[in-house]
Amino acid sequence: DGGITQSPKYLFRKEGQNVTLSCEQNLNHDAMYWYRQDPGQGLRLIYYSQIVNDFQKGDIAEGYSVSREKKESFPLTVTSAQKNPTAFYLCASSITSRSSYEQYFGPGTRLTVT
Amino acid sequence: DAKTTQPPSMDCAEGRAANLPCNHSTISGNEYVYWYRQIHSQGPQYIIHGLKNNETNEMASLIITEDRKSSTLILPHATLRDTAVYYCIVRVERSGTYKYIFGTGTRLKVLA
Repeated sequence: DGGITQSPKYLFRKEGQNVTLSCEQNLNHDAMYWYRQDPGQGLRLIYYSQIVNDFQKGDIAEGYSVSREKKESFPLTVTSAQKNPTAFYLCASSITSRSSYEQYFGPGTRLTVT
Repeated sequence: DAKTTQPPSMDCAEGRAANLPCNHSTISGNEYVYWYRQIHSQGPQYIIHGLKNNETNEMASLIITEDRKSSTLILPHATLRDTAVYYCIVRVERSGTYKYIFGTGTRLKVLA
């Protein structure tokens, strides 16, 4: 089955530790995205990447880092510099084209930092 | 970037049509409008999208005003399973890259 995989579903970390969230897709999509969602809120864009080895900051990139070494993988690192890391993190992918294509979302990772 | 505005919540009787409005008054000519919905703690699910013309698929209809400053998502016969948060999104292009700007969403409650 084609789709987007995020692991783990739940993640717990101590404050001050970096943590990396996994996102893998086998849809052959060029573009990948990371969003953050806080309780009762909408999705906010952290980083996005249109091609391998290139990525752009979204609206809330501070305290996060990404890499895009392979087309199918776009891991997100939540660093200790992120002041409020506890949130629900969603990864998405899409075809890059002037024509319209929807984003496909993974199931999300719920990160709790104490 | 284009911004979307939605009412925070709406109720709809089961079996009736649910009409969810969205304002996107700063949208540019080549920016698409998308609608997604999210059921608690899951990834958002694609519903429909459009540019200028009205669109219909097996899930919903999308009505876009002629000036493109607003749109309405219509679920023709709402069921209890349609209870979710519905997001209106604009896809923005900047120098060949595309990003999707989410609104704050409308929490739709379908009542039995």
